[in-house]
Amino acid sequence: DAKTTQPPSMDCAEGRAANLPCNHSTISGNEYVYWYRQIHSQGPQYIIHGLKNNETNEMASLIITEDRKSSTLILPHATLRDTAVYYCIVRVGNNFNKFYFGSGTKLNVKP
Amino acid sequence: DAGVTQSPTHLIKTRGQHVTLRCSPISGHKSVSWYQQVLGQGPQFIFQYYEKEERGRGNFPDRFSARQFPNYSSELNVNALLLGDSALYLCASSLFSIAITDTQYFGPGTRLTVL
Repeated sequence: DAKTTQPPSMDCAEGRAANLPCNHSTISGNEYVYWYRQIHSQGPQYIIHGLKNNETNEMASLIITEDRKSSTLILPHATLRDTAVYYCIVRVGNNFNKFYFGSGTKLNVKP
Repeated sequence: DAGVTQSPTHLIKTRGQHVTLRCSPISGHKSVSWYQQVLGQGPQFIFQYYEKEERGRGNFPDRFSARQFPNYSSELNVNALLLGDSALYLCASSLFSIAITDTQYFGPGTRLTVL
């Protein structure tokens, strides 16, 4: 099962882009990368996912390296409400929906 | 549209008691997963159910059990509670069990405190 490595914390100024890195060097060819965030111990919120192409939605962009060993979540204009723990997850296939969350990155957006 | 709902929101139990937590998935979703999140850690996978059958189990003791009903709602049961069972219990629902791109959507969780 592929595991992920993330920095424990990062700071970002309000209005600037937040770039959150994730290492998943043991990822398999058919495993997707998912990003979730969790605010104040609420339920994790889905952000975005991808396989090998870059993805963008209304919340964020996901950049996956060509070798798929790492990815970066980009919040283009961070706000104070984006302060949260961000989890990078590699979904395990094999007929069930197990997500390994890891410890995540605490993003602190500062005014 | 209603998201994933969980009940109760908070619960206080004493050691040795048992507890039942409930989850209603998003309408149309047939898969429910349960996670335990201890303070300061990421969620840990407990169970996944799809079409009323257990499809996956994490590394949790037999004191933990679950089931899924015909309407796809689910219950998580924990027997002989220990202090270490104090955690936020999260339920997640998704459309399919085996689709690699199947996205899980989480409920707000149930905060269980064992005294």
